Amino acid sequence: GQQVMQIPQYQHVQEGEDFTTYCNSSTTLSNIQWYKQRPGGHPVFLIQLVKSGEVKKQKRLTFQFGEAKKNSSLHITATQTTDVGTYFCAGHWGYQKVTFGTGTKLQVIP
Amino acid sequence: DTAVSQTPKYLVTQMGNDKSIKCEQNLGHDTMYWYKQDSKKFLKIMFSYNNKELIINETVPNRFSPKSPDKAHLNLHINSLELGDSAVYFCASSQEGGLPYEQYFGPGTRLTVT
Repeated sequence: GQQVMQIPQYQHVQEGEDFTTYCNSSTTLSNIQWYKQRPGGHPVFLIQLVKSGEVKKQKRLTFQFGEAKKNSSLHITATQTTDVGTYFCAGHWGYQKVTFGTGTKLQVIP
Repeated sequence: DTAVSQTPKYLVTQMGNDKSIKCEQNLGHDTMYWYKQDSKKFLKIMFSYNNKELIINETVPNRFSPKSPDKAHLNLHINSLELGDSAVYFCASSQEGGLPYEQYFGPGTRLTVT
């Protein structure tokens, strides 16, 4: 079945360092969404990418969708302690078909 | 105002029992979902309902049954609970449209089966 893998599974960074998580799908996606889940919280929507090669920015966060629409990345510049949490991609691959990635847990050391 | 609410927040029960988790959204969304998040934090979609019609039914045990009395509610009923059912269950909702819309998640229900 449809699989969406994320790497790394865990990442510890010093505050101020950059962070990147990668999302890879086994099949071509129609679009991809990114969510953030704080410890003890629920997933919160960050952004949606639809077009091949699309790049979007939100302050220190940069999101990319691969040309083949099978992979995506989230890059955080100069991490802050407020960035702590687990980041999930969610790949959409048909009408109401969605598979969440395995998640990357980010820990920021002050 | 809470957009997506779930009750209860915590549920501790014994194996073999039957339990329900309730979900309500006040966003006017057309689609609601149930997810299971296990101890490794993997999020698995279980069901989604669109206008009171089941449109996704992942390969979950038939002990799990979603029930939607109206567009704003999607409850999850679980029969004969097993140890492996212990997890956090999230309800979510989204608009209906040509492209997928963002999903709004509830706070989660932590189910512990002993």
